[in-house]
Amino acid sequence: DAKTTQPPSMDCAEGRAANLPCNHSTISGNEYVYWYRQIHSQGPQYIIHGLKNNETNEMASLIITEDRKSSTLILPHATLRDTAVYYCIVSRNNNAGNMLTFGGGTRLMVKP
Amino acid sequence: DAGITQSPRHKVTETGTPVTLRCHQTENHRYMYWYRQDPGHGLRLIHYSYGVKDTDKGEVSDGYSVSRSKTEDFLLTLESATSSQTSVYFCAISQREGDTQYFGPGTRLTVL
Repeated sequence: DAKTTQPPSMDCAEGRAANLPCNHSTISGNEYVYWYRQIHSQGPQYIIHGLKNNETNEMASLIITEDRKSSTLILPHATLRDTAVYYCIVSRNNNAGNMLTFGGGTRLMVKP
Repeated sequence: DAGITQSPRHKVTETGTPVTLRCHQTENHRYMYWYRQDPGHGLRLIHYSYGVKDTDKGEVSDGYSVSRSKTEDFLLTLESATSSQTSVYFCAISQREGDTQYFGPGTRLTVL
């Protein structure tokens, strides 16, 4: 499986954009980049995913570099409720399902 | 967490006792997964299922067994609980191969 590298923690001011980086230099051509987040004591929450094109939904934007070796999750206007651990995951597909390998993630602290 | 419940939500048991955790879904999704989460390890896949009676091992399957007799239920059993199995256990579901996984609220298990 391709592994990911994320900074262990980041701070962001409320109302500003939060840009969370992720390196996945060993990603293979058919692997997707997924982002999840986990607010304390809750189950992981799906945010967004992409293969090679940039993606946007109501929660966030995902920017994937052209060589696909890194990506950035953007929360355009961070709120205090966005304080969470954010996981960047590269999927591993096989004929039995899409298994996700979670690393340590980035602990994002949104401050007033 | 919509459509996914886990029971019990909290359990304290003693070393050597059997424990069964239940994941129940109302989404009729084909794939179901059991993860454990421990400090410093992120989430690790224990077992997964790709259909009724179809299961396979994940990264940390030793000491665990699973069963899936109905689409909606996926059971995780610790035949003889050990203190190293103290953890938070999350169930996840996905509709199709390669689809996004959605997580339940978790079960906090303490083995004394």
